[in-house]
Amino acid sequence: AQKITQTQPGMFVQEKEAVTLDCTYDTSDQSYGLFWYKQPSSGEMIFLIYQGSYDEQNATEGRYSLNFQKARKSANLVISASQLGDSAMYFCAMRGDGGSQGNLIFGKGTKLSVKP
Amino acid sequence: NAGVTQTPKFQVLKTGQSMTLQCAQDMNHNSMYWYRQDPGMGLRLIYYSASEGTTDKGEVPNGYNVSRLNKREFSLRLESAAPSQTSVYFCASSEKAVVNYGYTFGSGTRLTVV
Repeated sequence: AQKITQTQPGMFVQEKEAVTLDCTYDTSDQSYGLFWYKQPSSGEMIFLIYQGSYDEQNATEGRYSLNFQKARKSANLVISASQLGDSAMYFCAMRGDGGSQGNLIFGKGTKLSVKP
Repeated sequence: NAGVTQTPKFQVLKTGQSMTLQCAQDMNHNSMYWYRQDPGMGLRLIYYSASEGTTDKGEVPNGYNVSRLNKREFSLRLESAAPSQTSVYFCASSEKAVVNYGYTFGSGTRLTVV
């Protein structure tokens, strides 16, 4: 069965510092995609970054980067130079080519609080 | 703005009442989904529709029904609401059911069953 594990229910980071949000996954699929979503207090789900299982380079999108370690089945999100607006829930998610009927499955999330 | 539109945004129901949550997307996406979000549980899939004319159960389908009315619209029905169905409900869509396609989410419906 596919599973996403986010072991940090909550984290604090000082403004302008970098922070890493952990995500590990379990799948037997050969091909899969890993996604990170941000959910601010307003409630909407905002797509941040994507990493494919066959991508050799770690994905980057502005201040977001994904530290992908396939052998360890981890896909950690790194936010550089944290801003107050980064305070939100962050969800790691995975979509495989066989497990869970190819649907997106989510971890339980990490609540990030940025301190001024 | 293009995207996924959910109605209503908020709803309070009494136990035993029924209601339908509406969802429409204007991106010509093939697949649509209903998730519920509960504190500490992440998002869990209720039902999905891989393509127009098909619907399937997800992880937590009990107490719900769905209808894929056409390619644009996918509704979620609670026939007899229970307090355990108090949650935030998200509709989402995806252009294709392949690994490198993510989902676009609606803004959510906050449902309280008293």
